[in-house]
Amino acid sequence: GDSVTQMEGPVTLSEEAFLTINCTYTATGYPSLFWYVQYPGEGLQLLLKATKADDKGSNKGFEATYRKETTSFHLEKGSVQVSDSAVYFCALSDYWRNQFYFGTGTSLTVIP
Amino acid sequence: EPEVTQTPSHQVTQMGQEVILRCVPISNHLYFYWYRQILGQKVEFLVSFYNNEISEKSEIFDDQFSVERPDGSNFTLKIRSTKLEDSAMYFCASSVGGGETQYFGPGTRLLVL
Repeated sequence: GDSVTQMEGPVTLSEEAFLTINCTYTATGYPSLFWYVQYPGEGLQLLLKATKADDKGSNKGFEATYRKETTSFHLEKGSVQVSDSAVYFCALSDYWRNQFYFGTGTSLTVIP
Repeated sequence: EPEVTQTPSHQVTQMGQEVILRCVPISNHLYFYWYRQILGQKVEFLVSFYNNEISEKSEIFDDQFSVERPDGSNFTLKIRSTKLEDSAMYFCASSVGGGETQYFGPGTRLLVL
């Protein structure tokens, strides 16, 4: 079945460091891919998405490219800030089964 | 900006009691979902709902669970007889169409004692 495998955390970075959070997926069809972010005490917020191969999603300095050949959707940011501290979830949407599959989440802490 | 809302934000209940978690999806959305996240674990799909009926459900969504859209705005998840292992954060989500971006509420943290 469809699934998402996400890099284990927690991740601790200094401010202005480069961030990569790895995400790979398994899907039988042509899923859409998402990154959601969960700030402390809050719900899941959509960060970015890509709906087809080679699409790049971007938002707030974060980006991820839908790579069909490597079944990956790695999240990157060139210079993290303390305010980026949160848990990041990779997810895929199976259009035909009308549900999301989430990774385990990666906790990011950015220290000044 | 429209958002999904959920009530209550926290609920504590005794094992065996019934609980109802409430959600108000975004008004022009047609698909509604419930997910749960046990502490430290991944977000798990429970059920999707469209056109006043369940369209998909997971193995977790057994006979103890039910969903309802009692009026034009609310979407509820009922757990008939709660178990300790039902303690989790429950998220409601909605989307314009099936397979489209889902927008999540802030969650209800349920603690079963």
